[in-house]
Amino acid sequence: GNSVTQMEGPVTLSEEAFLTINCTYTATGYPSLFWYVQYPGEGLQLLLKATKADDKGSNKGFEATYRKETTSFHLEKGSVQVSDSAVYFCALSESGGGADGLTFGKGTHLIIQP
Amino acid sequence: NAGVMQNPRHLVRRRGQEARLRCSPMKGHSHVYWYRQLPEEGLKFMVYLQKENIIDESGMPKERFSAEFPKEGPSILRIQQVVRGDSAAYFCASSDLDSGELFFGEGSRLTVL
Repeated sequence: GNSVTQMEGPVTLSEEAFLTINCTYTATGYPSLFWYVQYPGEGLQLLLKATKADDKGSNKGFEATYRKETTSFHLEKGSVQVSDSAVYFCALSESGGGADGLTFGKGTHLIIQP
Repeated sequence: NAGVMQNPRHLVRRRGQEARLRCSPMKGHSHVYWYRQLPEEGLKFMVYLQKENIIDESGMPKERFSAEFPKEGPSILRIQQVVRGDSAAYFCASSDLDSGELFFGEGSRLTVL
């Protein structure tokens, strides 16, 4: 079956530091890959996605590249801000995020200190 | 354009009571998904519904849990005879056929005393 593994948190960084949150996946086919962000007390929001190998998703300064050879979709940001503090979920879908829903990782809690 | 609306946001129940969680999808969306998030865990898929049909309930516990998405009105996740282990955040998401992208509600947080 499908699965997503992401690095355990919490990850604590200082403002303006470089961020990497690792994500690897196992899938039977060729999935679409997603990063969702959950701010305290809120639901999940789609941060970025990539639908095929070598695609790069980007949004709000965050980037992730779909690496089929390493089955990875690591999230990066060059300079984090306090407002980036949240829980980040890596996810995959075999049908582009629709018909069969999403398989999520356990989430990585990111804490940015001023 | 209102997003996915869930209510109640917070629900407290005693063991043995029933919990009903409601989800109104985004306008124009005909697909609804329910996920459960246990403390310190990721989201686990529970059930996928279209109007009046359950498409995939492979993530639903076999007993006490049920879901519906009637022709009119919101989708409802029903938990009978709640136990402490049911305490969690329950998220609803909706999508349409074209984009397939899931949009999430803010969640309903169930606490069982």
